[in-house]
Amino acid sequence: GQNIDQPTEMTATEGAIVQINCTYQTSGFNGLFWYQQHAGEAPTFLSYNVLDGLEEKGRFSSFLSRSKGYSYLLLKELQMKDSASYLCAVRDNNAGNMLTFGGGTRLMVKP
Amino acid sequence: DSGVTQTPKHLITATGQRVTLRCSPRSGDLSVYWYQQSLDQGLQFLIQYYNGEERAKGNILERFSAQQFPDLHSELNLSSLELGDSALYFCASSHSRGGANTGELFFGEGSRLTVL
Repeated sequence: GQNIDQPTEMTATEGAIVQINCTYQTSGFNGLFWYQQHAGEAPTFLSYNVLDGLEEKGRFSSFLSRSKGYSYLLLKELQMKDSASYLCAVRDNNAGNMLTFGGGTRLMVKP
Repeated sequence: DSGVTQTPKHLITATGQRVTLRCSPRSGDLSVYWYQQSLDQGLQFLIQYYNGEERAKGNILERFSAQQFPDLHSELNLSSLELGDSALYFCASSHSRGGANTGELFFGEGSRLTVL
């Protein structure tokens, strides 16, 4: 099975930087995804890491360390619209390559 | 707009009843995934189909079943409904089996089921 842990809630200030961590345990790691989900809406894809290192995409960056089973999502220049849940998901090739999601981190951006 | 269409958007029914949720994947996508998301909970994987065949199964109850048709649309059948089945049911699609490329999932807007 898989175990994916991320903080339940975080609060940050508009314009600031926030880092959302995710740790995982999986037997057949085959990629890590970050999704954003506004309340009651569909998750939307943010980033994908399969090799160690940092992937940057505009204000959002995602980092992966496979040896540590660790990833983070970095959000810069926070905007009010970034208030949402951020879901870490791991793909396991020993589980049919399906995506297993963590419980999500609810981020509240305050003025 | 992800290109994945789910119907109905909202459904209210009573305990013991049966409902069918429908999903049309993005054009060209062969894989369809069903996820359940209860209030303030994470996405729980239910089942995956690839080109008409069941490919992976998660914590799907025996009261639930799904299938993918030749035109690649999929249906999730929920029977003998209980109060605890109230949730958002998401369908997602991807082009691949999930191995060769990114395998990013594109989610539909979800079907909100309320069991009274």
